[in-house]
This record gives sequence, C-alpha cells and structure tokens, in this order.
Amino acid sequence: EPEVTQTPSHQVTQMGQEVILRCVPISNHLYFYWYRQILGQKVEFLVSFYNNEISEKSEIFDDQFSVERPDGSNFTLKIRSTKLEDSAMYFCASGPLGPYGYTFGSGTRLTVV
Amino acid sequence: AQRVTQPEKLLSVFKGAPVELKCNYSYSGSPELFWYVQYSRQRLQLLLRHISRESIKGFTADLNKGETSFHLKKPFAQEEDSAMYYCAFVPGGSNYKLTFGKGTLLTVNP
Repeated sequence: EPEVTQTPSHQVTQMGQEVILRCVPISNHLYFYWYRQILGQKVEFLVSFYNNEISEKSEIFDDQFSVERPDGSNFTLKIRSTKLEDSAMYFCASGPLGPYGYTFGSGTRLTVV
Repeated sequence: AQRVTQPEKLLSVFKGAPVELKCNYSYSGSPELFWYVQYSRQRLQLLLRHISRESIKGFTADLNKGETSFHLKKPFAQEEDSAMYYCAFVPGGSNYKLTFGKGTLLTVNP
C-alpha cells in the first residue's frame, strides 16, 4: 500500500534556528497538507496545498512558516525561526481529489530547545 | 462554527465489552466524516469513512444527520483496540481540510 514518507523522524533544534521538514506524498495525489499535534493536544490543521499554491492556511501558519513543492515529488515545511512552542509532531498528509480521506505520514517530532 | 466534539477524553472498557466512542459535529451543510486511529504515538491511520459504510476491525459508524452524530461502535472490544481515536470531518468545498475532534483515548482492559 502506498505511503507518505516523512523525514527526519525526529529533529532537535535550537530556538531561533530554521528547520525544514520533508515529505514525499503519494504520487497520484493532488492535495497536500501539514498538520501539527502538540503533545497531549489535538491534531491541528496548518496548511493545504494544491496546484502549486497554498489553498488554505490556519491562523497558526504565520509568516514564520512556508511550504514548497520544489521538485514535483517532495513537499516541505519550513519554519524560519523556531520557537519553543513550535515543539510538536508534524504530520504531512496527501489526498486524492475526492472525499476518500487522506494518508498521513508517520510524522516528524520537532523539539525546540 | 464548524467543529467536531468528542465528549469523552478517556474511555475504559473490559475486553469483550461493547464500546461506543461518541462524535458530534456542527456544520450546516453535508460533511464527510471520518474516524482516525492513532496507536501509541504512531501515525494517524484512517479507520472509517462514512461514505463507504464499511466495517474495519469490527468497528462501524453510522452518520445520523438528525442528531449530527457519527458515533464509532464495536460490539466486542479487544485489547489491541487500545488507542487514541479521532473523529474528523471535511466540510463541503474543494480543499478537503480535515477538522479533528480532541480525541478519545480508549483503553481496553484484560
């Protein structure tokens, strides 16, 4: 069964540093997403991406965040200057066109120290 | 406001007992509803989607538009069902953004 692959599985970074989280979505999917789950809290939507542009973003997704699909296969989330409160599990997901639900990656645990 | 409510943060049952995880949604249109499961900090996995009306691992969920509910049920819980369960919905629209409930942690005791 096709999978969404995320790297790295765990990243530790110092406050103020830039991080890039990487995702390889399922190849025939058209919609791409990033979600975040702070430890012990619910999964929160960050951003959706379709047709090479952001289609929707949440209030969490401020100017510190950006997404790219640089080469047609990878889908990246960049946090320019990390804060302690950015520590969370970040899930990438991809979905086909249609109400079939998504496939999530296994997540990247980001720890900001 | 569009939201999903899972009233129980924790639910504990014994093996073999029936289990029902509650989910109510608030949305004026026709949403698409899903249940996701997360085992011990692993990835979120799609368990059920209402449009397919399928049964996975013995779980079923029926959309009740009158009560705006999509409760997840299983007649006989197993220990391996212990996990975090999230109800989620996608409002009508073209980008299929998932809105999750806060989740219910199900513990099935031996």
